[in-house]
Amino acid sequence: GDSVTQMEGPVTLSEEAFLTINCTYTATGYPSLFWYVQYPGEGLQLLLKATKADDKGSNKGFEATYRKETTSFHLEKGSVQVSDSAVYFCALTGGSQGNLIFGKGTKLSVKP
Amino acid sequence: DVKVTQSSRYLVKRTGEKVFLECVQDMDHENMFWYRQDPGLGLRLIYFSYDVKMKEKGDIPEGYSVSREKKERFSLILESASTNQTSMYLCASSSTGEGTDTQYFGPGTRLTVL
Repeated sequence: GDSVTQMEGPVTLSEEAFLTINCTYTATGYPSLFWYVQYPGEGLQLLLKATKADDKGSNKGFEATYRKETTSFHLEKGSVQVSDSAVYFCALTGGSQGNLIFGKGTKLSVKP
Repeated sequence: DVKVTQSSRYLVKRTGEKVFLECVQDMDHENMFWYRQDPGLGLRLIYFSYDVKMKEKGDIPEGYSVSREKKERFSLILESASTNQTSMYLCASSSTGEGTDTQYFGPGTRLTVL
């Protein structure tokens, strides 16, 4: 079945460092791809999405490109801030009902 | 802005109790979802609903039921709570107009079953 694999955390970076969180997927058809973020004590928020191959989603300095040839949707940010500390979830539309399928999440800690 | 609210942020119940978790959305969304979130397992879908009085099982429905009597409200019911249901429960909603793609989440209810 459809699935999402993302790099395990935790990831610890210094402020202004470059961030990459890897995400690869397995899916039939052409799913939409998402990154959600969960700040401490809160629910999930949509960070960005891409609906077709070669689309780039971007928001708040984060970017991810839908790569069909490598079945990947890696999240990147050029310069992280302490306020970016959160858990990041990669997801796709899939399953028998077209619902969201999530990766296990990657916890990011950014130190000043 | 879409707003999804959940009745409690923290809840402590005893084994065997009947537990109700309530979720309300204010954007007239057709679709509503219940997930549980556990460390190392990510989010797992319990139940979802595409319309009033409709419900569909997700990946882990055992031990849970749901109710959707009104479009804006989706309730998760634990008929007889057990300790392995201690978890974070997240509700979400989405519009059919956008597809089921973008889901909007509530803040979550952290349930502890003693």
